[in-house]
Amino acid sequence: KAGVTQTPRYLIKTRGQQVTLSCSPISGHRSVSWYQQTPGQGLQFLFEYFSETQRNKGNFPGRFSGRQFSNSRSEMNVSTLELGDSALYLCASSLRGLADTQYFGPGTRLTVL
Amino acid sequence: QKEVEQDPGPLSVPEGAIVSLNCTYSNSAFQYFMWYRQYSRKGPELLMYTYSSGNKEDGRFTAQVDKSSKYISLFIRDSQPSDSATYLCAMSEVTSGSRLTFGEGTQLTVNP
Repeated sequence: KAGVTQTPRYLIKTRGQQVTLSCSPISGHRSVSWYQQTPGQGLQFLFEYFSETQRNKGNFPGRFSGRQFSNSRSEMNVSTLELGDSALYLCASSLRGLADTQYFGPGTRLTVL
Repeated sequence: QKEVEQDPGPLSVPEGAIVSLNCTYSNSAFQYFMWYRQYSRKGPELLMYTYSSGNKEDGRFTAQVDKSSKYISLFIRDSQPSDSATYLCAMSEVTSGSRLTFGEGTQLTVNP
C-alpha cells in the first residue's frame, strides 16, 4: 500500500506571497493532520480534517488554512508569507483520527526569502 | 513552559550500547504515548505506541510510561548505526482527536 505523499517536496517563496501544499493520504484513511516542524519549536499541530470537515485546530494565525476533498486528499494554504513560516510541513494520515496510528509523509520544505 | 520536555541531545553512543531516551510532561490528561523516529530529510516513523501506564516491548525497543511521575522512556538495546536518527516522543489526550503534542526530539548517533 502506498504511503502518504506530499507535493511539492521543496518550495522557495518570498515574503508576502501565498503557498498551497498538497497531501495524499494512505488509501482508506479519512483523517489528515498537518504539522509544522522548525528547529526552535519542534513539531507543532496545525489542524486536522476528517470527512472534509476541520475537526481540530492548533494555535496558528488565520493565515494558515486547509481543506479536505471528498477523496480525503488535503491541501493547506499559507497566505501573506513571513520569514518565520520557513519550516518543514508534515502531513499525517490515519483511518479515523482519534487514537489511530498516524502515518507521516516526507514533508514539504518551505523556504521564505 | 512546554507541555512536553525532551532533552535534545545530541547523544552519541558506541555500537551495542543500551540507549535511554526520555520525556517529561505536565498535562495529566495525556493518555496515549508514542515514540517516533525521524531520519534526516524524512517524515517521522512510528516506533512504539502505548496507552496509559506500563511497559511495551518490540524487538530491541522497550517503551515505559509512568503516569504518576509524568515520565516516559524509550530504551534501545544493542544499538546499531542504523538507529542513528532523531527520536521524538509524542502524546495525546482522549478528547483531542489526532492532535499530537511532540517533544523537541533527541538526536542520536550510534558509532560503529
